[in-house]
Amino acid sequence: GAGVSQTPSNKVTEKGKYVELRCDPISGHTALYWYRQSLGQGPEFLIYFQGTGAADDSGLPNDRFFAVRPEGSVSTLKIQRTERGDSAVYLCASSFSGGARTGELFFGEGSRLTVL
Amino acid sequence: AQSVTQLDSQVPVFEEAPVELRCNYSSSVSVYLFWYVQYPNQGLQLLLKYLSGSTLVKGINGFEAEFNKSQTSFHLRKPSVHISDTAEYFCAVSDPPGRGFQKLVFGTGTRLLVSP
Repeated sequence: GAGVSQTPSNKVTEKGKYVELRCDPISGHTALYWYRQSLGQGPEFLIYFQGTGAADDSGLPNDRFFAVRPEGSVSTLKIQRTERGDSAVYLCASSFSGGARTGELFFGEGSRLTVL
Repeated sequence: AQSVTQLDSQVPVFEEAPVELRCNYSSSVSVYLFWYVQYPNQGLQLLLKYLSGSTLVKGINGFEAEFNKSQTSFHLRKPSVHISDTAEYFCAVSDPPGRGFQKLVFGTGTRLLVSP
């Protein structure tokens, strides 16, 4: 389809393991965002890319979290030494660069991460 | 820091009845305001937005919202709901752009349950 694609849709892992979550944005969108949605909460901002560079990573909770977008399209969110508190739905969104200024984001269905 | 309050976690309503979903934000300065909707098994999508101008904004699927600066509110309304409106609704706020990206801050969401 033409929407934002996220894989895997579900990921179950054990405490301490490494996890990668992938986001394929809408073609032509230069801006890409990662949000995290914990149970009963609204989405919480993690990081924003404009092109290949992270323009704002102020939402990353600690240095176990890292994200890349090497070619300005697909992005990978990487979580090291996972903890049970990392369990959440990780949402990816993309937009044209103007969307970054007006909040018009297109979201994927999310990757549900469960850390046992 | 910006914050959004959605006091109602769940709103049950009968089909064809009117509905109002409440949203209040905390800011003494100009803001941009948004409502996003998440249908079951789908990603968040933009319902409507207020950037400037008329305080009554109309969105998709017959929804509208009114920006009230004095009450710092942005309540969402629909005069007659359908079963298909059953979804989670998120209010969000951002600062107007200075130079580029301003992150969206989401509320905790309101689940609208429409029954026959």
